[in-house]
Order: sequence, then structure tokens, then C-alpha cells
Amino acid sequence: AQSVTQLGSHVSVSEGALVLLRCNYSSSVPPYLFWYVQYPNQGLQLLLKYTTGATLVKGINGFEAEFKKSETSFHLTKPSAHMSDAAEYFCAVRDGNKLVFGAGTILRVKS
Amino acid sequence: NAGVTQTPKFQVLKTGQSMTLQCAQDMNHNSMYWYRQDPGMGLRLIYYSASEGTTDKGEVPNGYNVSRLNKREFSLRLESAAPSQTSVYFCASRLQGNTGELFFGEGSRLTVL
Repeated sequence: AQSVTQLGSHVSVSEGALVLLRCNYSSSVPPYLFWYVQYPNQGLQLLLKYTTGATLVKGINGFEAEFKKSETSFHLTKPSAHMSDAAEYFCAVRDGNKLVFGAGTILRVKS
Repeated sequence: NAGVTQTPKFQVLKTGQSMTLQCAQDMNHNSMYWYRQDPGMGLRLIYYSASEGTTDKGEVPNGYNVSRLNKREFSLRLESAAPSQTSVYFCASRLQGNTGELFFGEGSRLTVL
């Protein structure tokens, strides 16, 4: 079965600083990978996805992620954090008809 | 275009009571899912329905039942609620044949006393 590990349950950055949220996956087949964002008291919204092709994937709100097969990683980055980026972020891997989610990383942005 | 709609948004139950969470999608998606979200545990799959007429257990099905009423609707039932079922429940849907991303509802917050 596929699985996902997100390193760091909480990450704190200053406004304008680089955001790096880490995700490692385990998959027996070429993975389809996703990042979702959840703002307080809301549902999950797709940020970006990797299926095939280009390993650097750009998403909404200035986020991007790079698929590295050799490292089994799919880390999420944003060059400059904004206060509105404060949220919980989930990495997920497709497992047949389902998505398997990581435990989530709460991003705090300090002014 | 409402997407995925869940009702109710909030519910408080006493131990042993029953209730049904309703979910409907208007995107003509084939597959529907129920997840629960607990702090530090991410989202865990309870049940899913790959297509109308089929349902399958996920990671944490105990204490729950589901019904795929038609292509649009997928309900989750708690027959005898327990405090361990206090959680936020999310319904999601997916179009069969796409790359797998799910579309989520706003969630239903359930407290069992």
C-alpha cells in the first residue's frame, strides 16, 4: 500500500521568507502525488499535483513542488511567505481509487 | 455550481445515539468518499464508493455504515455513536478516469458526549 510521511507537524516562518514543507512517499508504482491546503474551518483545496512529465510542478498562490524519484520526495515550496499562507497543508499519494494522506503540516507565518 | 455539499455542518450527540451525515455532489462524479480528520492524524478513509452501486471499506470503517443512494448522494451513518467518533468528517468526490484528485466538501463537525 502507498503511504506518505510529512516531516514536521508545525512549521513557522517569517513573512517574506522561504516556505519549505517536506513530504516523502512510499509507492510500489509510479506515483501520482498531490498537495492540498486547508484554511481554518474549511474543506481541502487542491494546490498542485504531479502525475507524469515535468518533475517541477507549479500550483496556485505561488506554490510549487518538485518530484524527486531518487529521494522519494515531493516537497512543497514558496519563495516568499505571505500572512495569508497560514493554513494546514497535506501531502497525498494516489492508491488505486483512493488518496492516502499524510498527517499534515501547520504553517504559521510571523509578521 | 455547489460542488460537494455536506449536511449538517455541526452536530452534538450523546453516546449511543444514531445519526446520518448526508453528502451530495453536482459534478457528475463517479466516485465518492468519506474521510475523518483528527488532529495529528491527517485524513483517514472510512468508506468509499468507486461507482454507483458499490461501496468498500477504507482504513477505519468500524462503527460506520454507508449508502450510495444514487450517483449524486453518499451518506454516512453512525448507528451507536461513541466519544471516539468525535471528529470532523469530510465527503469528497472524483471523476473516474482523471488523475485522481478529490474535490472536498466543507466538512461536518461531530461531537459525541
